[in-house]
Amino acid sequence: DQQVKQNSPSLSVQEGRISILNCDYTNSMFDYFLWYKKYPAEGPTFLISISSIKDKNEDGRFTVFLNKSAKHLSLHIVPSQPGDSAVYFCAASLGGSEKLVFGKGTKLTVNP
Amino acid sequence: NAGVTQTPKFQVLKTGQSMTLQCAQDMNHEYMSWYRQDPGMGLRLIHYSVGAGITDQGEVPNGYNVSRSTTEDFPLRLLSAAPSQTSVYFCASSTQGRQPQHFGDGTRLSIL
Repeated sequence: DQQVKQNSPSLSVQEGRISILNCDYTNSMFDYFLWYKKYPAEGPTFLISISSIKDKNEDGRFTVFLNKSAKHLSLHIVPSQPGDSAVYFCAASLGGSEKLVFGKGTKLTVNP
Repeated sequence: NAGVTQTPKFQVLKTGQSMTLQCAQDMNHEYMSWYRQDPGMGLRLIHYSVGAGITDQGEVPNGYNVSRSTTEDFPLRLLSAAPSQTSVYFCASSTQGRQPQHFGDGTRLSIL
């Protein structure tokens, strides 16, 4: 029973364009969401997070949008750069829990 | 700062052998966790600890043991290795579970 779903295993975009990575969740009690980026042979690195009291959080080229009614969040990268090519994981946490639940990841390829 | 250090980076075991994956962090983080990453499965939580002397199970704890005698170290023990435990293992730490976690670079474990 997958609680955090990233339904697109891969995404390919052109350099300079927008990359949109999507994540859906099933548990309405999740109240904190994070995005991690992972390069091959390295550990994941934290990218951006959002609390359920917000619907948008921005950090430079990265923006996360949260739609609680649809149980959906998305990560926008503008403009996309070749160095953004990596696997992106969405993760969620229940209120009061110390645990994170991860999605399966989406591999982003940014073509020069 | 070394961050989160995992040793070894690679290991091959035979079925039935036992071994300990080491994890150390130098950031004085209270929260530490172990994940496994399998192809197409994302990251799954094995065990976690909210402080020295306190551990709890994650999503996939069977076949693994942990202990937390110091703030810095959080070893993961495979009691009797099975081929199903072939995976990449990541250790992570943070000030608390709901804060962004710092990951090590992983241990790639193969069990024959």
